[in-house]
Amino acid sequence: DIHLTQSPSSLSASIGDRVTITCRASHTINTHLTWYQQNPGKAPKVLIYAASTLQSGVPSRFSGSGSGTEFTLTISSLQPEDFATYYCQHSYNIPITFGQGTRLEI
Amino acid sequence: EVHLVESGGGLVQPGGSLRLSCAASEFSFSYYWMSWVRQAPGKGLEWVANIKYDGSEKNYVDSVKGRFIISRDNAKNSLFLQMNSLRAEDAAVYYCAREWSSGWSNWFDPWGQGTLVTVSS
Repeated sequence: DIHLTQSPSSLSASIGDRVTITCRASHTINTHLTWYQQNPGKAPKVLIYAASTLQSGVPSRFSGSGSGTEFTLTISSLQPEDFATYYCQHSYNIPITFGQGTRLEI
Repeated sequence: EVHLVESGGGLVQPGGSLRLSCAASEFSFSYYWMSWVRQAPGKGLEWVANIKYDGSEKNYVDSVKGRFIISRDNAKNSLFLQMNSLRAEDAAVYYCAREWSSGWSNWFDPWGQGTLVTVSS
């Protein structure tokens, strides 16, 4: 199984900050990487797919990059609604797995 | 608007069974792979199983193989998860989700609101 490790596991930041979350894969996954945002009590919402493609309707302050084994999600200027938990997910093979999550706090 | 609604969750004793359902609307259900993803209370996301658009291919995470069965009824726009021999570690919110594929990546969108499964005596 491919293991995804996110860092950091939690992060404190302020409105307007630029933040970066990293996802490292235990095996190369090319660009088979998706980023989600999850708010408490809600289902996850897709932000970025294919490592760097912004999902329709997602604000442009979100961006993704990387390929192979190392990927990043960047939020260029934090807004109040961005404080949530973020997950990466690979689809390179079965089983599909998720990172452990990064909790972004004020 | 694309809509997925799960049902069938509840309290079950260890070793018991439960059948989850997911009703899909406002999209061509029979064209898409579908998945179940679960989230234990306070924990992260875990993919459980998926099924091809015509039901001819199914995949499972190792921890549920031989106990869970994913199925679908395209005529009724419905997805199912039959869960047998339930264990305490199966307790979670179960989400159904539609799969998308770009050739370079597969992702889940949208997700249902989830249904809670509690396994306890």
